Amino acid sequence: DAGITQSPRHKVTETGTPVTLRCHQTENHRYMYWYRQDPGHGLRLIHYSYGVKDTDKGEVSDGYSVSRSKTEDFLLTLESATSSQTSVYFCRGPAYGYTFGSGTRLTVV
Amino acid sequence: ELKVEQNPLFLSMQEGKNYTIYCNYSTTSDRLYWYRQDPGKSLESLFVLLSNGAVKQEGRLMASLDTKARLSTLHITAAVHDLSATYFCAVDLDSNYQLIWGAGTKLIIKP
Repeated sequence: DAGITQSPRHKVTETGTPVTLRCHQTENHRYMYWYRQDPGHGLRLIHYSYGVKDTDKGEVSDGYSVSRSKTEDFLLTLESATSSQTSVYFCRGPAYGYTFGSGTRLTVV
Repeated sequence: ELKVEQNPLFLSMQEGKNYTIYCNYSTTSDRLYWYRQDPGKSLESLFVLLSNGAVKQEGRLMASLDTKARLSTLHITAAVHDLSATYFCAVDLDSNYQLIWGAGTKLIIKP
């Protein structure tokens, strides 16, 4: 489904640097979600948004912030990346079938 | 706290066999979802079950929901290698469309 795209697809960054991941949607979804996926932990919600400038924390929000200045873009920022934030990050919309983006594989070295 | 438990977490089976993956959840919900994930890929929606007794079928996969027992099953009939993947169930929290996820069942189907 081309309605939700994530960028970049892969990123390697150094510990302590800020990193921003982008989720772009063309479906006019009000609700959007950021997850991380790690072996043994499944999918864990980081933050979600229920409208422009309306966001809330999920279960693993420490070290992450989000912004949504327009409906189409939901940004996830790692303020100071740590090795524990090495993960695969997925963005999701609320459409029927709950469409996921293709994911961003982030490695913090 | 809502918990979603899948079992088994790992399943290796032969082609042609039948098997069932179970998804139990700990609180009331009328909406349950099944997803498939291939290695290195994103999650693909398989089924959305929206009421007690709902049954959905697609090819060799059939999902059902019993909200009274808080149980959903994903049944695989005459498994084929192409069904090898990790399968997740997720329950709707009924607020802000949040989903609570099971840990996933890694299914390997051997020729």
